[in-house]
Amino acid sequence: EIVLTQSPGTLSLSPGERATLSCRASQSVTSNQLAWYQQKPGQAPRLLIYGASRRATDIPDVFSGSGSGTDFTLTISRLEPEDFAVYYCQQYGSSPWTFGQGTKVEVK
Amino acid sequence: QVQLVESGGGLVKPGGSLRLSCAASGFTFSDYYMSWIRQAPGKGLEWVSYISTASTFTNYADSVKGRFTISRDNAKNSLYLQMNSLRAEDTAVYYCASMIKGWGQGTLVTVSS
Repeated sequence: EIVLTQSPGTLSLSPGERATLSCRASQSVTSNQLAWYQQKPGQAPRLLIYGASRRATDIPDVFSGSGSGTDFTLTISRLEPEDFAVYYCQQYGSSPWTFGQGTKVEVK
Repeated sequence: QVQLVESGGGLVKPGGSLRLSCAASGFTFSDYYMSWIRQAPGKGLEWVSYISTASTFTNYADSVKGRFTISRDNAKNSLYLQMNSLRAEDTAVYYCASMIKGWGQGTLVTVSS
């Protein structure tokens, strides 16, 4: 089973700042099949990025994904008030599919 | 636009059964693998099962193997999850998901006596 470790656990930033979230896999993610999600309280996760770097439909370009193999990054270039949430990474290249534990982006 | 709408959740006693459904629209359902993912109250996300486009391949988390069955009907643009022998630890919001097209809003399953 591929274990995904997200860091940091909590990121305290101000609106307008850049956020960099990390997701590290215990072994290589097959075909870079890695996704990023945003989840706000009481809501379903929202798909942001799939295939490590492809933005999902209607996702603004302030969100970008990068990385390959075992190290992946989600970057939010400029935080808007609505971007403060929990972010999860997930690998879907090997069974069982697994999720990271999440990074909370909070207002500083 | 893409819509995934789950239904069928509810309160069930331990050992009971439920069948979840997911109605898809806004994309060519038959072209995509589909999955079920769950989230227990206050917890993180847990993958449950996936199914290939033509139902040729399915896979399950160890925690549900032998108890849950995933299926799909491409003619009806629908995904299903038959859940048998339910346990308290199966209590969660269940999401229908495509790794490329997005997720539904979820349906709550509560297993309690």
